[in-house]
Amino acid sequence: SQQGEEDPQALSIQEGENATMNCSYKTSINNLQWYRQNSGRGLVHLILIRSNEREKHSGRLRVTLDTSKKSSSLLITASRAADTASYFCATLVAGANSKLTFGKGITLSVRP
Amino acid sequence: DTAVSQTPKYLVTQMGNDKSIKCEQNLGHDTMYWYKQDSKKFLKIMFSYNNKELIINETVPNRFSPKSPDKAHLNLHINSLELGDSAVYFCASSLGPAARQPQHFGDGTRLSIL
Repeated sequence: SQQGEEDPQALSIQEGENATMNCSYKTSINNLQWYRQNSGRGLVHLILIRSNEREKHSGRLRVTLDTSKKSSSLLITASRAADTASYFCATLVAGANSKLTFGKGITLSVRP
Repeated sequence: DTAVSQTPKYLVTQMGNDKSIKCEQNLGHDTMYWYKQDSKKFLKIMFSYNNKELIINETVPNRFSPKSPDKAHLNLHINSLELGDSAVYFCASSLGPAARQPQHFGDGTRLSIL
């Protein structure tokens, strides 16, 4: 079964608004990573957060990790039309043989 | 300069044919991967190589055979293509194995089986 599940599946917001996307997972993890995929392109790494970290920032991105709830959130502040993309969370399961397990992704549309 | 490049970008072929996809990375990374993304955007790992050695081999039909001639290249050969093989195949690389570092993806090869 899938390790990471994103929520919501699709999100549509106005430019300038904040976008919050959530990811839940089932088993203990070593790290959790967020990726962005623009239409017709490959995935681009955004942020990696380790299991002993609670929050990380990168520019307009903020990621939180709650290992007790087995969940993570990605916040994009002051969204732009260029943020329109699919966003994926991926988990590395503790003790696993080094593979990332991806969720199904969230489609974010930012209206100009 | 493209960090991870795949060729071809599009591949349209008949059922039963054999085809290859090539991948090269110029990042100096030790680890490379092949992923398959289906029509619902679900991404699943197929293989991973570290310094030319196979380290991950998921449950993939043996019609799929990866080859890593050196640590900068990872190719994927597919025999006897089937309709269900239609998908986007992504190559990726990372500094080392164990998925503890970010992965860098190519732009994918869109495979369509007629």
